[in-house]
Amino acid sequence: QQQVKQSPQSLIVQKGGISIINCAYENTAFDYFPWYQQFPGKGPALLIAIRPDVSEKKEGRFTISFNKSAKQFSLHIMDSQPGDSATYFCAASDWGGSNYKLTFGKGTLLTVNP
Amino acid sequence: SAVISQKPSRDICQRGTSLTIQCQVDSQVTMMFWYRQQPGQSLTLIATANQGSEATYESGFVIDKFPISRPNLTFSTLTVSNMSPEDSSIYLCSVGGQRELFFGEGSRLTVL
Repeated sequence: QQQVKQSPQSLIVQKGGISIINCAYENTAFDYFPWYQQFPGKGPALLIAIRPDVSEKKEGRFTISFNKSAKQFSLHIMDSQPGDSATYFCAASDWGGSNYKLTFGKGTLLTVNP
Repeated sequence: SAVISQKPSRDICQRGTSLTIQCQVDSQVTMMFWYRQQPGQSLTLIATANQGSEATYESGFVIDKFPISRPNLTFSTLTVSNMSPEDSSIYLCSVGGQRELFFGEGSRLTVL
């Protein structure tokens, strides 16, 4: 069964701290790993994505770390801000195999306290 | 990224009725999907909307309950039929670009 396991379910961080969310997958055919950010009442917005040919991708304060051998990837939010408070979903798909369907993790509710 | 418009953005429906959700994209896209997000939950794929042919449904979802149309490369509809309170969810249209998948704002349905 294709699954993506995400942890923690919720996370509270102080302003300026580092938020870390972890995901693990089972299907070795997965080759596209996006993270989505969702604010209440809004649709998920693509935040950052990585493919397994690199071990890390950074965009501003957001970094994805990818460990292919462990089948794990994580999102790091540096200098977390109250505006980062949202639900974060990791996902995966077999893009190269033309299977573009995303399998999502269960989500992490991030709260950044001022 | 594509601009995705969904209608309605929200609705309150009576048990036993049906509602059609529209998804309009500002450019032609090959891939279009419909997802469901139940309150406080993750996203679950309902079906892949195929242009010019029948949609491909995921396990647990059937065409009689969730008929889908996709008449062209910029538009699709999802109908939620014979609704029950368990259908209260956010329904999301997703489209594929060259390297990414994007989501609309969603249609929030409440079934009484």
